[in-house]
Amino acid sequence: AQSVTQLGSHVSVSEGALVLLRCNYSSSVPPYLFWYVQYPNQGLQLLLKYTSAATLVKGINGFEAEFKKSETSFHLTKPSAHMSDAAEYFCAVSRPGNQFYFGTGTSLTVIP
Amino acid sequence: DTEVTQTPKHLVMGMTNKKSLKCEQHMGHRAMYWYKQKAKKPPELMFVYSYEKLSINESVPSRFSPECPNSSLLNLHLHALQPEDSALYLCASSQISGTRGIIQYFGAGTRLSVL
Repeated sequence: AQSVTQLGSHVSVSEGALVLLRCNYSSSVPPYLFWYVQYPNQGLQLLLKYTSAATLVKGINGFEAEFKKSETSFHLTKPSAHMSDAAEYFCAVSRPGNQFYFGTGTSLTVIP
Repeated sequence: DTEVTQTPKHLVMGMTNKKSLKCEQHMGHRAMYWYKQKAKKPPELMFVYSYEKLSINESVPSRFSPECPNSSLLNLHLHALQPEDSALYLCASSQISGTRGIIQYFGAGTRLSVL
């Protein structure tokens, strides 16, 4: 069963515009949630993680995500897109039993 | 240190070759994973080792043979691969799962091309 859903396989924004990448999870218990970024021809880099310490999580490169239990969402945002943000972004969730599930990914294009 | 090191970074092999991918971590993690990733797709889980024992095999063909010689090392032995096996192979490690879940740390991957 799909545990995280990423809405929008492709997102395009202008340089300097707000970046919003959507992720919804399915769980009756707040899980651990993650955003990973993958630049072309590279491995996965952890952007940020939610482990229940705070609902607003700040990550690297100016990204942040807010955990909203009422909406079962964990959307990723950045106030101002930069050309270097163009990459593939994956939302992921982990559950007990060493289970780890990725969303289908969102490809971000930044238009100059 | 949250580093997972994978070698080699790139590998080209013929269908009759035997090669190995290597993964190393020194974070004291007792769970290690192999994933396969095709372009523009999420990583697909292949194998999970817990306490150096194979705990999950996601019906991976026998031409892929994992090995965990100790708690810091994970190998993936390759033999008689097919061109469709060309992909990015990712290694990850984590603590053994608690009641909430795990945080996985990924290596940079090995880009494999099978000719």
